[in-house]
Amino acid sequence: DAKTTQPPSMDCAEGRAANLPCNHSTISGNEYVYWYRQIHSQGPQYIIHGLKNNETNEMASLIITEDRKSSTLILPHATLRDTAVYYCIVRVLVSGGYNKLIFGAGTRLAVHP
Amino acid sequence: DAGVIQSPRHEVTEMGQEVTLRCKPISGHDYLFWYRQTMMRGLELLIYFNNNVPIDDSGMPEDRFSAKMPNASFSTLKIQPSEPRDSAVYFCASSKRGQGFFGEGSRLTVL
Repeated sequence: DAKTTQPPSMDCAEGRAANLPCNHSTISGNEYVYWYRQIHSQGPQYIIHGLKNNETNEMASLIITEDRKSSTLILPHATLRDTAVYYCIVRVLVSGGYNKLIFGAGTRLAVHP
Repeated sequence: DAGVIQSPRHEVTEMGQEVTLRCKPISGHDYLFWYRQTMMRGLELLIYFNNNVPIDDSGMPEDRFSAKMPNASFSTLKIQPSEPRDSAVYFCASSKRGQGFFGEGSRLTVL
């Protein structure tokens, strides 16, 4: 299973871009990179996912390096409500075509005024 | 859509009692997952189902834990007998094509 490495914590000023890195050097060619976040004790919330190309949606952008060994989640204009734990996950493909999401420790992002 | 619905939101029970947690997945989703979250161990995958069939229960901690999915709209996670170390937040998630949606969790306290 591909493992991910994230910094345990980061700070960001409100209104600035938050760039959250993730290393997944053992990722295989058909595994996707997913990002989730968990605000306080709520259920994790899906943000974005990608395979090879960069992706953007209304919440964030995902930049994946050409060798796919790392990625960056970008929150373009962070707000106080973006304070959360952010999880970078490689979707594990198992036999039979079924897959599961395995969460690591994540990055605790603190957005301050 | 109402999202993934879990009940109860909070449960306080005494050691040795049976606990049943319930989950209603999003309609049309074919995967259902049960996770447990504690400060010490983070988010752990306990078991997941595909089309109501248990696929992988390797994360279930011991025989005291069991999970069922009798139909596409309902799943239960049962702990019998419960122990203080089972205190945690239990999340249910459902997905279709990989994008998982989580419920708000059931916070279990075993005294």
